[in-house]
Amino acid sequence: ILNVEQSPQSLHVQEGDSTNFTCSFPSSNFYALHWYRWETAKSPEALFVMTLNGDEKKKGRISATLNTKEGYSYLYIKGSQPEDSATYLCAFNDAGNMLTFGGGTRLMVKP
Amino acid sequence: EAQVTQNPRYLITVTGKKLTVTCSQNMNHEYMSWYRQDPGLGLRQIYYSMNVEVTDKGDVPEGYKVSRKEKRNFPLILESPSPNQTSLYFCASSLKGIWSGEQFFGPGTRLTVL
Repeated sequence: ILNVEQSPQSLHVQEGDSTNFTCSFPSSNFYALHWYRWETAKSPEALFVMTLNGDEKKKGRISATLNTKEGYSYLYIKGSQPEDSATYLCAFNDAGNMLTFGGGTRLMVKP
Repeated sequence: EAQVTQNPRYLITVTGKKLTVTCSQNMNHEYMSWYRQDPGLGLRQIYYSMNVEVTDKGDVPEGYKVSRKEKRNFPLILESPSPNQTSLYFCASSLKGIWSGEQFFGPGTRLTVL
């Protein structure tokens, strides 16, 4: 079983703060790295699928970077809003078709 | 509306009574997958399917069966459920293989095995 780790496990920020979290994954046999946003009582929703080293993706105030050589990805949220409160999951895809998820970072944004 | 549907959404059953959780997608996706979510363990992949009649084990396949007779449907079968299969289950699909694009998740099925 592959080791995919996310840090921190949880994070409390004030509205307007910018924040970032980390996903660490094996640096060998890399195919793709997924980021998902998971709100309480809902289903996970895809944010990004990243495949190339050095890739940067952006969706509104959320962006992500990827370093496949050292095995990490950062997710950034600029100017956090209460509606950004959710658990952010990363998932690693190696040479097969399996997806291994990290434990998630739970973000709480206080108004 | 493009979506992944699961039924039932909630189920309470007893040990040993066979059950099936259905999953259906209307997006003509090739890849479908089942996950379970347990507190402290995150999402873990049970089985996945690259296309009709092609299924493969994920990280935690023991106690589960799947079938993919049609592209749109990917049922999860528990032949003899046990209490350790009490969990929140998600079905998901994506257009091609898992590396090619985002997955779309169903609403989840909360299963309790007594």
